[in-house]
Amino acid sequence: GAGVSQSPRYKVAKRGQDVALRCDPISGHVSLFWYQQALGQGPEFLTYFQNEAQLDKSGLPSDRFFAERPEGSVSTLKIQRTQQEDSAVYLCASSFHYGTPEQYFGPGTRLTVT
Amino acid sequence: AQSVTQPDIHITVSEGASLELRCNYSYGATPYLFWYVQSPGQGLQLLLKYFSGDTLVQGIKGFEAEFKRSQSSFNLRKPSVHWSDAAEYFCAVGAGNTPLVFGKGTRLSVIA
Repeated sequence: GAGVSQSPRYKVAKRGQDVALRCDPISGHVSLFWYQQALGQGPEFLTYFQNEAQLDKSGLPSDRFFAERPEGSVSTLKIQRTQQEDSAVYLCASSFHYGTPEQYFGPGTRLTVT
Repeated sequence: AQSVTQPDIHITVSEGASLELRCNYSYGATPYLFWYVQSPGQGLQLLLKYFSGDTLVQGIKGFEAEFKRSQSSFNLRKPSVHWSDAAEYFCAVGAGNTPLVFGKGTRLSVIA
């Protein structure tokens, strides 16, 4: 596709449920980033992949958060045993890496935990 | 520590008036600087970027920004605002292909 896509766009989960959020980066983009955006705030870094390697996961808020990119393309962010504080928009971005480092963002997944 | 400050939480301007959104950053190395715009329910769209060279950079939708190293600033400007510019604007800093650090954003309202 032409841009970064994310699915689902909206997800409502009951507290304690597990969720999986998907990101399809721009074709050929080597780097993939996940950010969390709380209401009224700027995006905050969660984790980062270069191809299939997870280079930095320092932003993941707890061990309930897990991300993977097994074939170096599509990525999944999984949140186990969701809590109300996990409610946020989860943004995915990709960049070409070997060119200029601007990141291109998807539309985000709005997660609401009830 | 790396940080970005956007001092104005909310700005209201009249359609046709000029606009300046402020951004100050703290970064250890030579930064790459970005401005993104976010409309309600949408992702972030890149408006413009600064990597090196000319400190005045042009972006999409008639926006420009000026990098001032001495002031650690990267303010966004537009000479004449349109109603469609109403959105949230984020300044961000990074280095190479690394995670971006964002400011908290400035919400722009445009009145007739």
